[in-house]
Amino acid sequence: DAKTTQPTSMDCAEGRAANLPCNHSTISGNEYVYWYRQIHSQGPQYIIHGLKNNETNEMASLIITEDRKSSTLILPHATLRDTAVYYCIVRVTGSARQLTFGSGTQLTVLP
Amino acid sequence: EPEVTQTPSHQVTQMGQEVILRCVPISNHLYFYWYRQILGQKVEFLVSFYNNEISEKSEIFDDQFSVERPDGSNFTLKIRSTKLEDSAMYFCASGRSESLGEQYFGPGTRLTVT
Repeated sequence: DAKTTQPTSMDCAEGRAANLPCNHSTISGNEYVYWYRQIHSQGPQYIIHGLKNNETNEMASLIITEDRKSSTLILPHATLRDTAVYYCIVRVTGSARQLTFGSGTQLTVLP
Repeated sequence: EPEVTQTPSHQVTQMGQEVILRCVPISNHLYFYWYRQILGQKVEFLVSFYNNEISEKSEIFDDQFSVERPDGSNFTLKIRSTKLEDSAMYFCASGRSESLGEQYFGPGTRLTVT
C-alpha cells in the first residue's frame, strides 16, 4: 500500500469548514483513498473513500487531485464532536485486506 | 443503525492466563478483522477472516493468538497465554463486501495484563 503523509495537528473554528490534507504521491492506479477518524480511543470510524472522482456523503467530502497524488477531506461545518484523529489510508480494494493506520492528523475544533 | 459490539469493555487478567475477547459483527457482513492499539501508539492490524478461515495475518498474530467464528453471529479472539505487552485496546471490525472495502469498528475491549 502507498505511503501517506498528513500534518500532525490542525485547529478549526466551530462552524467553519475543516480541510484536512493528505499526500500520497506513490499511489498506484488501483489504490483507493480511505479516510477514517478515531475519537479519543474509541474504535476508528469509516468516513469516506474514493478512487479518482470527488465523493460526498452525509459526513464529509473527499477531493482527489487529478494526478491522484494528494487529497483533501472536507468537513463542511465542523462541530466540537468532530475533534478526533483523522487517518488517510491508501490501499487496494477488492480484497479482504488490512487497513494500515499511520499517525494521522489530530483535528481540534475550537469553540 | 447496525453496529459492531464487543464484550467485555474492560478485561483484567494475570500474565499467563487465557483470555477470549468477543465481538458481534454487523449481521450481513462477511469480512471480519481484529486490530489492537497499545496506549499512545498506532492502530495495528492483527488478522482478517473470511469464509471461516484466516485471510491475512500480521507478524503480531503469532501462535498465542487464534480466532474463531463459533456460530453465525460471534467472532472471537483468543490469547492463550497473555503477556504484559498484550495490554492494549482490541478492536473488532467487519466489512460488507470485498469490492466496497470499508470496515466498521466496534468500541473496543481494553485488555490489562498484570
